[in-house]
Amino acid sequence: GAGVSQSPSNKVTEKGKDVELRCDPISGHTALYWYRQRLGQGLEFLIYFQGNSAPDKSGLPSDRFSAERTGESVSTLTIQRTQQEDSAVYLCASRAGTAHYGYTFGSGTRLTVV
Amino acid sequence: GDSVTQMEGPVTLSEEAFLTINCTYTATGYPSLFWYVQYPGEGLQLLLKATKADDKGSNKGFEATYRKETTSFHLEKGSVQVSDSAVYFCALRTPSNDYKLSFGAGTTVTVRA
Repeated sequence: GAGVSQSPSNKVTEKGKDVELRCDPISGHTALYWYRQRLGQGLEFLIYFQGNSAPDKSGLPSDRFSAERTGESVSTLTIQRTQQEDSAVYLCASRAGTAHYGYTFGSGTRLTVV
Repeated sequence: GDSVTQMEGPVTLSEEAFLTINCTYTATGYPSLFWYVQYPGEGLQLLLKATKADDKGSNKGFEATYRKETTSFHLEKGSVQVSDSAVYFCALRTPSNDYKLSFGAGTTVTVRA
């Protein structure tokens, strides 16, 4: 597509439930990132996918968080047993191959855990 | 570790006022520096960048100069418009982590007519 698409745009869930967030990157973009933005804070790196290489999961805050990506297409970020501190905007970005600057961000998913 | 510190917002200005958003950084080596902007309801977009000391990035009337001696990359615009209302993020990328961006907390700017 023309841009990075994320769904849902808003999600309210009860504490303890699992949630799945989706990211559709720009077609042909081999690199995909997930970031988290808590209220009043900067973007926090979560995970990075590059082609068929092993992902960099160093930013995932706990084992409740996981992400998958099939090839160079859609990615899903799953949060199990959600906690109130998981409330944040989750942003996805993609970029082409080795380009260092060409991030394109989606509009994000605002997750609220009640 | 690498980090970026931005001036806290929110910032409220009148049209045609001068805007400065301060950004300082801590990094290993020589980072590349960026300003991203997020307009209401949209994703982050790259506004401008600078890759080495004394470089000036510019776009849409905004400018920022990479100052190695003060480890700063302050964003400026001489005459803001209502359409500049957005959240602005300073970010850096270092050679040791060349695929990751480290972001500041963001500064919300509101320009009133």
